[in-house]
Amino acid sequence: QKEVEQNSGPLSVPEGAIASLNCTYSDRGSQSFFWYRQYSGKSPELIMSIYSNGDKEDGRFTAQLNKASQYVSLLIRDSQPSDSATYLCAVKGPYDYKLSFGAGTTVTVRA
Amino acid sequence: NAGVTQTPKFQVLKTGQSMTLQCAQDMNHNSMYWYRQDPGMGLRLIYYSASEGTTDKGEVPNGYNVSRLNKREFSLRLESAAPSQTSVYFCASSEAPAPIPDTQYFGPGTRLTVL
Repeated sequence: QKEVEQNSGPLSVPEGAIASLNCTYSDRGSQSFFWYRQYSGKSPELIMSIYSNGDKEDGRFTAQLNKASQYVSLLIRDSQPSDSATYLCAVKGPYDYKLSFGAGTTVTVRA
Repeated sequence: NAGVTQTPKFQVLKTGQSMTLQCAQDMNHNSMYWYRQDPGMGLRLIYYSASEGTTDKGEVPNGYNVSRLNKREFSLRLESAAPSQTSVYFCASSEAPAPIPDTQYFGPGTRLTVL
């Protein structure tokens, strides 16, 4: 069982600032990493996936992966009130299509 | 294209009652999953089905059974509900199994309360 831990939050940031979310995982063989966003009372939706060390950018979102440190992060630039949600980190092994989720970090963007 | 659908959306049971949660996907996905989500604990896998006709236990299978009725449908049954099963249940599907990463798509969830 892969353990996935996220900074507990909640994280409050002013509008326009950068929100930084962190995630560590225990299984060194993990190969695929995902960030899901979940609005209150809704289901999770995928916002980023990353498989290789380094940065991956998609609009205002940047995922960063460091497999040596077993660490993956998500940066939200120019945070907007609509980014207020819980962000879930999920990890998958090389031949394992099951996901292990962290407990989530709740982000609140203050207008 | 509805994606992943779940019924019911809400349910209240008494301890010892049974019920089945229904899930269907119209994306022709091979794999389907059942998760439960409790406050502060993230999503935990209950059961999954890699393909039609196969099912396997996940992290928290006790007290549940599943049926992969066909490629589209995957149901979760609580035979004798307990208050500890009060939770939000999500069904998901993906194109896996495959030795490549893929995306899991989630249904809207079922909010279950066991009194």
